[in-house]
Amino acid sequence: QVQLVQSGAEVKKPGASVKVSCKASGYTFTNYVMHWVRQAPGQRLEWMGWINTGSGNTKYSQNFQGRVTITRDTSATTAYMELSSLISEDTAVYYCARSSGWPTAIDYWGQGTLVAVSS
Amino acid sequence: EIVMTQSPATLSVSPGERATLSCRASQSVSSNLAWYQQNPGQAPRLLIYGASTRATDIPARFSGSGSGTEFTLTISSLQSEDFAVYYCQQYNNWPITFGPGTKVDIK
Repeated sequence: QVQLVQSGAEVKKPGASVKVSCKASGYTFTNYVMHWVRQAPGQRLEWMGWINTGSGNTKYSQNFQGRVTITRDTSATTAYMELSSLISEDTAVYYCARSSGWPTAIDYWGQGTLVAVSS
Repeated sequence: EIVMTQSPATLSVSPGERATLSCRASQSVSSNLAWYQQNPGQAPRLLIYGASTRATDIPARFSGSGSGTEFTLTISSLQSEDFAVYYCQQYNNWPITFGPGTKVDIK
């Protein structure tokens, strides 16, 4: 069965960076793109970007341009999201999620990783 | 950026009753519209994609309709496990955007 298993919760200080991992299993990793979506407390879901896991090409939301980097390791079937220059407003649950390309809906989600930014 | 809005913000429904949720896009998204259900502390779950196609293992009581800018999710007879927050999402234009959600709670 399809599984996306994310790394554990993180607490970071303002100005730091965080890197969240997403281990995929149960399907051919490079046949699907991987999105990163975040949800701040009580807020709507916010799309951050995606990576074509086959080619490595990425696309980012302008809201995060320059601060977010999405990468993947095909041998480890793992995607990564790194967010830099953290501020308190970046406190959120971060999800990885897959879809089969563009334009297709996200069909599976990871369990989420809480990132708390606090001094 | 396409702005998604949803109404109502909260819908109070009795078990067994019908629930109708609305989603509107600020410009046409064709049929590239999905609905997700989210329970507290859990990841979203795909219910509907392509505006009207049920995802795998989604019960027939969930149905979606609409195209362009106006969409509807209908739950024909609410079960206890259906009380949750529902989000619509457009994947027609970059960036992908989500609505603010409709919370369906017990009346």
